[in-house]
Amino acid sequence: DQQVKQNSPSLSVQEGRISILNCDYTNSMFDYFLWYKKYPAEGPTFLISISSIKDKNEDGRFTVFLNKSAKHLSLHIVPSQPGDSAVYFCAASANAGGTSYGKLTFGQGTILTVHP
Amino acid sequence: DTGVSQDPRHKITKRGQNVTFRCDPISEHNRLYWYRQTLGQGPEFLTYFQNEAQLEKSRLLSDRFSAERPKGSFSTLEIQRTEQGDSAMYLCASSFLGAAGTQYFGPGTRLLVL
Repeated sequence: DQQVKQNSPSLSVQEGRISILNCDYTNSMFDYFLWYKKYPAEGPTFLISISSIKDKNEDGRFTVFLNKSAKHLSLHIVPSQPGDSAVYFCAASANAGGTSYGKLTFGQGTILTVHP
Repeated sequence: DTGVSQDPRHKITKRGQNVTFRCDPISEHNRLYWYRQTLGQGPEFLTYFQNEAQLEKSRLLSDRFSAERPKGSFSTLEIQRTEQGDSAMYLCASSFLGAAGTQYFGPGTRLLVL
């Protein structure tokens, strides 16, 4: 049962344009969402996160949007740069009570290629 | 460097051998997680610790897998009688209880079982 899905295996974007990566989830218990970036042969690097009490979080060129009713989140990268080329994973977690978050459930990833 | 470290980075072994991986978390983090990633997939949760206590284990973690965190600092993941299907990237992550759900990952250990 794939609880977190990234339906686009790949995305190609021109440098300077906007990259939009999408993620859908099915488990309504998820209330904390994260995006990670991964280069080959390295571990995932944390990019940005959002709590379910918000619908938008921004950090520099990266903005995450959360639509709880649609169980959908997206990552916007503006402007895109060639160095952004990597695999992007969305992940979700459920609060077990208080601030006690446990495991992350990941999507399959989207390969982003930014062309100069 | 105060990030998560993992050792070894690469391991090649023959089917049936035992292997052990080590993870050193960020020093002030009290939670430590193990994940496994295969080609074309996202990381899959295996198990996690809060200090010394192993709080959750995935159904993916067969009897051949065991993890420990004896003093609440570093952790080891052992795979006994390795099988070719164990070939994957094994990732360790750590987090601080109370700091929401953000986990910080190490570089991973790439295992190849021949």
